[in-house]
Amino acid sequence: QSALTQPASVSGSPGQSITISCTGTSSDVGGYNFVSWYQQHPGKAPRLMLFDVSHRPSGVSDRFSGSKSGNTASLTISGLQAEDEADYYCSSYIRTTPSTPGYVFGTGTTVTVL
Amino acid sequence: QVQLQESGPGLVKPSGTLSLTCAVSNGSITSDNWWIWVRQPPDKGLEWIGEIFHVGATNYNPSLKSRVSISLDKSNNQFSLTLTSVTAADTAVYYCARVLGIGPNFEYWGQGALVTVSS
Repeated sequence: QSALTQPASVSGSPGQSITISCTGTSSDVGGYNFVSWYQQHPGKAPRLMLFDVSHRPSGVSDRFSGSKSGNTASLTISGLQAEDEADYYCSSYIRTTPSTPGYVFGTGTTVTVL
Repeated sequence: QVQLQESGPGLVKPSGTLSLTCAVSNGSITSDNWWIWVRQPPDKGLEWIGEIFHVGATNYNPSLKSRVSISLDKSNNQFSLTLTSVTAADTAVYYCARVLGIGPNFEYWGQGALVTVSS
């Protein structure tokens, strides 16, 4: 199973909005509404930011939102803050055959706050 | 809040076997959850290794399936990862996590354990 495709880097100024894309196939992103997004600061474990495309776990700021169209999911960060500078990964449920369910991550995007 | 802690050797010889354990606290390994392993090579992205359900059912990444095994240790409230025939390409930080519901919703993570494959 191939990694989902994300842009290597995205940047924005404080207060701006940025969007990170996550492109897969009909076997993963396009086939299920099981897409999650993770934030990872250097040396730390990933943190779940969104699940089921657009749902936020308790404690996650509403500045983070998600959507999906076809084989591409997107994460939008509004009102960009310095603390949002991190690596972001999408993840999707994947089923390449009926007997092989699993998960696949995106290639990762480094967000820089200018 | 559920807490997870990985443990195991930090250095494994090529062609050897990597073994890690994930201890779960403030929660039960027999709860209605999937438990997973994820790894991250130095300066690279995340890779899903596999998962185990509280009743013992497992799913593995097809690229690792021939070398990986995940098991439960209910008496010690922990689960384990075994990866055989390791090479330098298996050098990574290995994370364990708990899945929320259905989907790639890995809500609680361990801090990660660096395993280096080298002679």
